[in-house]
Amino acid sequence: AQTVTQSQPEMSVQEAETVTLSCTYDTSESDYYLFWYKQPPSRQMILVIRQEAYKQQNATENRFSVNFQKAAKSFSLKISDSQLGDAAMYFCAYRSAYLGTYKYIFGTGTRLKVLA
Amino acid sequence: ETGVTQTPRHLVMGMTNKKSLKCEQHLGHNAMYWYKQSAKKPLELMFVYSLEERVENNSVPSRFSPECPNSSHLFLHLHTLQPEDSALYLCASSQDERAYEQYFGPGTRLTVT
Repeated sequence: AQTVTQSQPEMSVQEAETVTLSCTYDTSESDYYLFWYKQPPSRQMILVIRQEAYKQQNATENRFSVNFQKAAKSFSLKISDSQLGDAAMYFCAYRSAYLGTYKYIFGTGTRLKVLA
Repeated sequence: ETGVTQTPRHLVMGMTNKKSLKCEQHLGHNAMYWYKQSAKKPLELMFVYSLEERVENNSVPSRFSPECPNSSHLFLHLHTLQPEDSALYLCASSQDERAYEQYFGPGTRLTVT
């Protein structure tokens, strides 16, 4: 069975600085997707960034980028130029790419605090 | 934030009550999901519906009963719940069961007394 581990329950970053959130996963599958979701205090979870396992190039979305290390099963999220609005819970998630698979596996989350 | 809506946002119920959670998506998606979010635990997938047919049921106790009358609406009927069922219940939708992005609602905070 697949597992997702986020070992940092809480992180803090100074405004305008860079922070990296860690995520490791375990799977025997070769084709899958990895995601970072953000859940602000308003509770509505939104997708931040996704990575297809078959792509070697790390995904980037504006200030958000990932460091995807497939062999190490590591998928960290880097937030550059942190803003107050980045404060939220961040969840790492895994999803198999095989047809008929509906299940996302989520980590326990990392609470990010942004200090003014 | 109006793509997926959930009502009510907060619910307090006794263990002998019967209540229902409602989810509605305005995105034209074909798949809908119920998740349970408890403190310091990963999101737990409860149910998945694809084109109104239940395709995933993750060993959820029978006191939780889902209903999907059409592809835009999803309900979670609750009866004789336990205090440990107190949690945030999230609804999500996706284009279909193969789409990798899910769109989440704001959740219903349920407290069982």
